[in-house]
Amino acid sequence: DTGVSQDPRHKITKRGQNVTFRCDPISEHNRLYWYRQTLGQGPEFLTYFQNEAQLEKSRLLSDRFSAERPKGSFSTLEIQRTEQGDSAMYLCASSRGTGVPYEQYFGPGTRLTVT
Amino acid sequence: AQRVTQPEKLLSVFKGAPVELKCNYSYSGSPELFWYVQYSRQRLQLLLRHISRESIKGFTADLNKGETSFHLKKPFAQEEDSAMYYCVSATGTYKYIFGTGTRLKVLA
Repeated sequence: DTGVSQDPRHKITKRGQNVTFRCDPISEHNRLYWYRQTLGQGPEFLTYFQNEAQLEKSRLLSDRFSAERPKGSFSTLEIQRTEQGDSAMYLCASSRGTGVPYEQYFGPGTRLTVT
Repeated sequence: AQRVTQPEKLLSVFKGAPVELKCNYSYSGSPELFWYVQYSRQRLQLLLRHISRESIKGFTADLNKGETSFHLKKPFAQEEDSAMYYCVSATGTYKYIFGTGTRLKVLA
């Protein structure tokens, strides 16, 4: 297992287009998180999955954003009708466990540029 | 609302000098606290967590509940410590709040 992977690593798109990112977590991890990071800021929580169930969504996540984790394995994050303000690094992380916060393992991120 | 404050965006120290990266959190309960590090061209990774009370790469962090602080310290900085450091407060299963980060530069 090489850790959490994300695809693509970079995405340039025009405003108004839809984009989809993929995250493959560490195989035995049941928790999966998506974050967004803009320049000069720390990662900001977007959404969280426990197995295949999406248990929490941040208010940052507008209706244009949707995430899935079918069968509790990989996850996708889709942004519809992209806007320039969506330009950011999108990070995925996974962890094991139930109940208490555990160490999160991060992917390399997908850098989105909306022109 | 839960918040993590790292007051310094950039901290420059000379090799061999002591390092202290400041972190203050605001939460009325008892969050789990972490320090994550990102070296150049690498992904975010855990440096240490409060509950394990370990010293990793010579770094330690002491929780001061009275001051709601979790400062990261190292007695003698090394050039390979140059990186971006994030303090993180976590509650429940998903609520991880990151600070804005401090870039540490260790000068030769």
